[in-house]
Amino acid sequence: GAGVSQTPSNKVTEKGKYVELRCDPISGHTALYWYRQSLGQGPEFLIYFQGTGAADDSGLPNDRFFAVRPEGSVSTLKIQRTERGDSAVYLCASSQPGVAGNSYEQYFGPGTRLTVT
Amino acid sequence: SQQGEEDPQALSIQEGENATMNCSYKTSINNLQWYRQNSGRGLVHLILIRSNEREKHSGRLRVTLDTSKKSSSLLITASRAADTASYFCATDAGLTGGGNKLTFGTGTQLKVEL
Repeated sequence: GAGVSQTPSNKVTEKGKYVELRCDPISGHTALYWYRQSLGQGPEFLIYFQGTGAADDSGLPNDRFFAVRPEGSVSTLKIQRTERGDSAVYLCASSQPGVAGNSYEQYFGPGTRLTVT
Repeated sequence: SQQGEEDPQALSIQEGENATMNCSYKTSINNLQWYRQNSGRGLVHLILIRSNEREKHSGRLRVTLDTSKKSSSLLITASRAADTASYFCATDAGLTGGGNKLTFGTGTQLKVEL
């Protein structure tokens, strides 16, 4: 079946602009995660959705970052007033429904490379 | 912030040799996972080891976990050129909402030469 898809694959924007990054998870995966990966670093957690609700947004760096998942499937990460420091690869992952104390493999998309000039 | 660190940061070996990567972490975990990443894009899950397990095998991969030392190692046996990639460990402390917040290390860049 289809894996996690992310669009666009690359996005170049000017400082101060607004951007939206889209993630299509694997069908049936109710858990969805956003991560950000800077050059030479491992991915860093941003936000986790269980269904439509953001169950944990503790990784969002500031209030310029926001994510939604209105129908419990596709998610959009929104960044307002972009800054050069926002340049990174934004990764989305989905997994099977989780049960507290258990863990499931996360399936990652190819990422969106965001460049803020 | 990064939970752990991988060691070494970069590793270059000849095809057929074994590759060993180490990961250290700081806090208590439910499990530890290893991922592989090609060309700085999507990650592929390799193996998950739970906190009550000490060793796990999957094909040419062997993972060990020492919770007393807060460390793990990934061994790739009989390496191939296609194993060239970055390898990350990720710890999972669990989320109250049932999710799994992964905290990744800094990664080891493995290069397998013909």
